[in-house]
Amino acid sequence: GESVGLHLPTLSVQEGDNSIINCAYSNSASDYFIWYKQESGKGPQFIIDIRSNMDKRQGQRVTVLLNKTVKHLSLQIAATQPGDSAVYFCAENGVSGANSKLTFGKGITLSVRP
Amino acid sequence: NAGVMQNPRHLVRRRGQEARLRCSPMKGHSHVYWYRQLPEEGLKFMVYLQKENIIDESGMPKERFSAEFPKEGPSILRIQQVVRGDSAAYFCASSPDHSGNTIYFGEGSWLTVV
Repeated sequence: GESVGLHLPTLSVQEGDNSIINCAYSNSASDYFIWYKQESGKGPQFIIDIRSNMDKRQGQRVTVLLNKTVKHLSLQIAATQPGDSAVYFCAENGVSGANSKLTFGKGITLSVRP
Repeated sequence: NAGVMQNPRHLVRRRGQEARLRCSPMKGHSHVYWYRQLPEEGLKFMVYLQKENIIDESGMPKERFSAEFPKEGPSILRIQQVVRGDSAAYFCASSPDHSGNTIYFGEGSWLTVV
């Protein structure tokens, strides 16, 4: 069945280093992908999104890369800060043109060492 | 996720009682989505509603769970005769339409069944 999964459950990085969080998806019909950040006790916070007609999109300190050939999505965080410590989820829409039913991965915990 | 208001933030219910969770979407948004998050897992889609209509409830358990989004007032997720397995965080999200815009989540309602 369709699924979105993250390769590693936890990631520990040194403050100031770059972080790369990877995600695999299996639904080739998905054309919209989102990264969310969730801090303890809070709701998912939108970070960045990308549509399938793009392979890269940059935001402030974050970059999302999409490789449709291998169905792979990654989130790069530049100069990781302690405030970046959280659980990160990738999500896909699963149905072309719609965003009503996002499929989330299980999440990866990013821990930033001072 | 500013603007999507959920209440209560925390709710404790005994087994067999009813739980009612409320969601007011962002201003101007007429599409509401409910997701459930079990401990240490990603979010799972439950239901998608527009004003006075249920559009997609494919993620809702067949029994005990219901949702509504009346013409006036917030969207309500109702869980009857709660069981311990219903303990989870319930997140509401909203969007202005269904054309592929990003959906924004509220801070969630944490239900604990004792």
